Amino acid sequence: DQQVKQNSPSLSVQEGRISILNCDYTNSMFDYFLWYKKYPAEGPTFLISISSIKDKNEDGRFTVFLNKSAKHLSLHIVPSQPGDSAVYFCAASDGSQGNLIFGKGTKLSVKP
Amino acid sequence: GAGVSQSPSNKVTEKGKDVELRCDPISGHTALYWYRQRLGQGLEFLIYFQGNSAPDKSGLPSDRFSAERTGESVSTLTIQRTQQEDSAVYLCASSLDSGPYQETQYFGPGTRLLVL
Repeated sequence: DQQVKQNSPSLSVQEGRISILNCDYTNSMFDYFLWYKKYPAEGPTFLISISSIKDKNEDGRFTVFLNKSAKHLSLHIVPSQPGDSAVYFCAASDGSQGNLIFGKGTKLSVKP
Repeated sequence: GAGVSQSPSNKVTEKGKDVELRCDPISGHTALYWYRQRLGQGLEFLIYFQGNSAPDKSGLPSDRFSAERTGESVSTLTIQRTQQEDSAVYLCASSLDSGPYQETQYFGPGTRLLVL
């Protein structure tokens, strides 16, 4: 039983358009959410995070939206660039433990 | 300074052999985590060290897995009597602290383990 779910294993978007990556969670105790980006043969790199007291956090082209009632968060990338092509992992924490619970990832392909 | 480093970057071993994986966290980071990613799966938490506290071993899949950390420095993950299902990328991450406020975890490049 996965606590963090990324139901789309892959997503293909045209350069310049919006990429929307979705993530659902089941544990209502999660209070902090992160998105990591992973290129092949590299470790995940932190992208953006959001606390449960907020519903939106923006950093440049990246915006994360949190809908607590729906236990859903999404990552928006606007405009998408070919260099954004990577696997994106959603992760969550309930603060009681140090470890993060990760989703399986969504592979984003941005086509020129 | 330098990021999280891991060695070896790749390891091929025979079933039944022991392997040792190393992680050098970012200097000053008190928290250290081990995860693994099997093919087609997400990152799976294994073990977490915070300062001098007893480690959280709740994610270790079996007693063949163990890890050590000396102070706030290097950590080693040991897998005894490796099995083919242990084949995965083993990722180490560190963060400043894992107190009430979640700190960003910074990941190393991983060790790709293949058990034949």
